[in-house]
Amino acid sequence: KAGVTQTPRYLIKTRGQQVTLSCSPISGHRSVSWYQQTPGQGLQFLFEYFSETQRNKGNFPGRFSGRQFSNSRSEMNVSTLELGDSALYLCASSLAAGGSSHEQYFGPGTRLTVT
Amino acid sequence: AQTVTQSQPEMSVQEAETVTLSCTYDTSESDYYLFWYKQPPSRQMILVIRQEAYKQQNATENRFSVNFQKAAKSFSLKISDSQLGDAAMYFCVASGTYKYIFGTGTRLKVLA
Repeated sequence: KAGVTQTPRYLIKTRGQQVTLSCSPISGHRSVSWYQQTPGQGLQFLFEYFSETQRNKGNFPGRFSGRQFSNSRSEMNVSTLELGDSALYLCASSLAAGGSSHEQYFGPGTRLTVT
Repeated sequence: AQTVTQSQPEMSVQEAETVTLSCTYDTSESDYYLFWYKQPPSRQMILVIRQEAYKQQNATENRFSVNFQKAAKSFSLKISDSQLGDAAMYFCVASGTYKYIFGTGTRLKVLA
């Protein structure tokens, strides 16, 4: 079974631009969560989608948004990029929504650099 | 609100020795799950071990075991017979209603 894939793996953008990151979960997984990982802030939860519905959202500004498609693939969008958005963005998929005993399977991440 | 605290930013252990990583959590939920995840350098995060809060028995996975103290809200990870491949960032995670809460992580170094 293929693992969680994220595209692109690396991205360089300029302040003010917008970016879209993609995540394909493991086949059969309906939950997709997004995290931002930085050396200073650690791993911070962005949002979770389950069956195309956003189930939970972390404490991030409205510039960060996401969606999930009927095939469970998910995209995350960041508009008006700031230097502080430079981070590793991780996607994780799971059989069930957060709050369950099911483990999350993580992708390799997308390394975003904002200049 | 749920919180997860890992008070040891970095730990070192000699190869073949035993090390314990600490984690405390706070939750008002009665039904929750606890996990330890491992993130090796430049590699994907993977599950190490999982504990259901309603189970009193401590979970064990080969060289990895936990000490789950529910009343104290403590969930430590013990790694026995440490190997070079255990070097990684370890995250303690609490799963509650519709969310996973990660601790700040403990970087484990394994010395040859």
